[in-house]
Amino acid sequence: GQNIDQPTEMTATEGAIVQINCTYQTSGFNGLFWYQQHAGEAPTFLSYNVLDGLEEKGRFSSFLSRSKGYSYLLLKELQMKDSASYLCAVLDSNYQLIWGAGTKLIIKP
Amino acid sequence: GAVVSQHPSWVICKSGTSVKIECRSLDFQATTMFWYRQFPKQSLMLMATSNEGSKATYEQGVEKDKFLINHASLTLSTLTVTSAHPEDSSFYICSAPRDRENSPLHFGNGTRLTVT
Repeated sequence: GQNIDQPTEMTATEGAIVQINCTYQTSGFNGLFWYQQHAGEAPTFLSYNVLDGLEEKGRFSSFLSRSKGYSYLLLKELQMKDSASYLCAVLDSNYQLIWGAGTKLIIKP
Repeated sequence: GAVVSQHPSWVICKSGTSVKIECRSLDFQATTMFWYRQFPKQSLMLMATSNEGSKATYEQGVEKDKFLINHASLTLSTLTVTSAHPEDSSFYICSAPRDRENSPLHFGNGTRLTVT
């Protein structure tokens, strides 16, 4: 079956750096997305990786290793507003999105 | 700004009534739209794929007679929850890829449905 694993919850301190990992086993691969979802709101797009390596976008970076079935989202200079759930999703060979359960990130002052 | 508009944002209805949720793509044409359901502290669950001009494709376990989907135009898809029951109370979110199959999904703001 298809599976995406990410930690349920993480805690970090304001101003610090946090890395949220995601591992996947899917039927084929057409890219990996990271979305941010604040409580009670719809997800918003953060990043898309289809090739191996690191994609940097401001304070957020996303890394992909297709051979390892692994990705991480790196958040730098954490702000209180970064408290949210972070969802990892993989596009399989049929272009179906497989969603992880999300990682709830708690930022402490 | 928002590229997908969803309405209403929240709705409270009585058990046995029907509720219609609209999803519009604002500045692009969406031949495909996705309808998700999300329970508290859980991830998104795909309910169905809405296809413009043809029947929707429902995921296993989703009752197509209960969750009616109509994609009548390239910018509008509707989800109607028929004969709603309290267990249908949830957060319903629509989304659409902007162009290519591997485009990021743009999500509507979601609809919080409470059935009393």
